[in-house]
Amino acid sequence: DGGITQSPKYLFRKEGQNVTLSCEQNLNHDAMYWYRQDPGQGLRLIYYSQIVNDFQKGDIAEGYSVSREKKESFPLTVTSAQKNPTAFYLCASSTSGWIHNEQFFGPGTRLTVL
Amino acid sequence: AQKVTQAQTEISVVEKEDVTLDCVYETRDTTYYLFWYKQPPSGELVFLIRRNSFDEQNEISGRYSWNFQKSTSSFNFTITASQVVDSAVYFCALSEVLNTGGFKTIFGAGTRLFVKA
Repeated sequence: DGGITQSPKYLFRKEGQNVTLSCEQNLNHDAMYWYRQDPGQGLRLIYYSQIVNDFQKGDIAEGYSVSREKKESFPLTVTSAQKNPTAFYLCASSTSGWIHNEQFFGPGTRLTVL
Repeated sequence: AQKVTQAQTEISVVEKEDVTLDCVYETRDTTYYLFWYKQPPSGELVFLIRRNSFDEQNEISGRYSWNFQKSTSSFNFTITASQVVDSAVYFCALSEVLNTGGFKTIFGAGTRLFVKA
C-alpha cells in the first residue's frame, strides 16, 4: 500500500540533545513538507521540499534542519537550538509543489522534551 | 496577509444532528484553492475536499456538503445526520503562492467536533 510512514510514533529527548524524525513516502511524490502542531493551533510549516536536493524554510524553521537526498525521504532534525520542541510533528507529501494539490499526511511523531 | 479563521474552537452535538463548521479566509491572490482536512484521534490528517476560486458551486458528498461563497470569503462545511465517527478536528486550509514558485498551504486553527451517542 502506498503511503507515508513516520517513525518513531513517540520520542522523548533530554534538553540539549539533537533528535531526528524520519519520514518516508512511496507515493512517488515530488514535494514533501514538515509541519508542527501545538495544542489548539493549526499546522505551522517548518520546511518544505519541492524536489530532490532542494528545500526551503517555512514559517518556523529556526532550530530545525532537513535534508532531501532521496525522493522518498525527508528527515527532520530538531536541534538543541529549538527552544520549545515539545509538539506533534506531521510529515506530508503532494504530487508536485507547483500545483495546488492536496497533501497526504503521515501518522505523526509526538516529541516530548524531558 | 493570507489567513484562515475558524472561529469555532469546539462544537458538541448529539448524534443525527446536523452541524456546520465555519471557515473564513483572507487572500490577495485571484487564483487560490481551499481545502478541508479531517484529523481523527489517530492524528493523521485526511483530505476531504479541494475547491478552486473560480468554482463556487456547492459540493455534496454523502453526508458532507460544502458551501463556498467568494462574496463573504467563506468556505463552510456541513455534516448532515452526524455520527460518532465524525468526531475529529477539522481544518480548513488555503493555498498560497510562494516567492520561490509553487505553493504552500495555510491552515486554520481547527474546529474540534464531538458527536455524542
